[in-house]
Amino acid sequence: ETGVTQSPTHLIKTRGQQVTLRCSSQSGHNTVSWYQQALGQGPQFIFQYYREEENGRGNFPPRFSGLQFPNYSSELNVNALELDDSALYLCASSLGAQGAREQYFGPGTRLTVT
Amino acid sequence: DQQVKQNSPSLSVQEGRISILNCDYTNSMFDYFLWYKKYPAEGPTFLISISSIKDKNEDGRFTVFLNKSAKHLSLHIVPSQPGDSAVYFCAASADLRQFYFGTGTSLTVIP
Repeated sequence: ETGVTQSPTHLIKTRGQQVTLRCSSQSGHNTVSWYQQALGQGPQFIFQYYREEENGRGNFPPRFSGLQFPNYSSELNVNALELDDSALYLCASSLGAQGAREQYFGPGTRLTVT
Repeated sequence: DQQVKQNSPSLSVQEGRISILNCDYTNSMFDYFLWYKKYPAEGPTFLISISSIKDKNEDGRFTVFLNKSAKHLSLHIVPSQPGDSAVYFCAASADLRQFYFGTGTSLTVIP
């Protein structure tokens, strides 16, 4: 059974640029959630995708967008990067039509915006 | 607005003793609660959960207690082991889609 993987591991971008982060869900899981974890904080929910459709969104601006593909892998896109976007971005996969009781997290992508 | 709070950033416990990690929440609509453990350079790992219809859930050395009237939950680890040293996050949800996390408590178990 393959766990949740994320790429890249680390990324450095300049303010104003755009970034795409990728996540492969655990085998058999059809739901992917994305979280932003700033330094010293807990993960904050960005959005969730279920069967290629957005299934819930947290308090993040529209420049945070996502996609889920037929194989249930997912992308997080952030446009017009700001310094405050520097954080660890986590994706979590689960199985369920309405989220799930257990989410399996990947190791995260560390994004630094300069 | 922090809807889930972990007021103790760190906790140190002797091996073999009980570790008690606390979590408070403000939203009365939350009906599902989880604890995650996180090691450095890894994503959070699910530990144990509880729904609002229960006040206790036990899994081996880990027990979660829920006090709905006080909007408080706690995680008990008995006996504590050095491998339990990690950051522990509590999380809560009202819809099983959006989960709200606390800021974490760093547990150190001293051999």
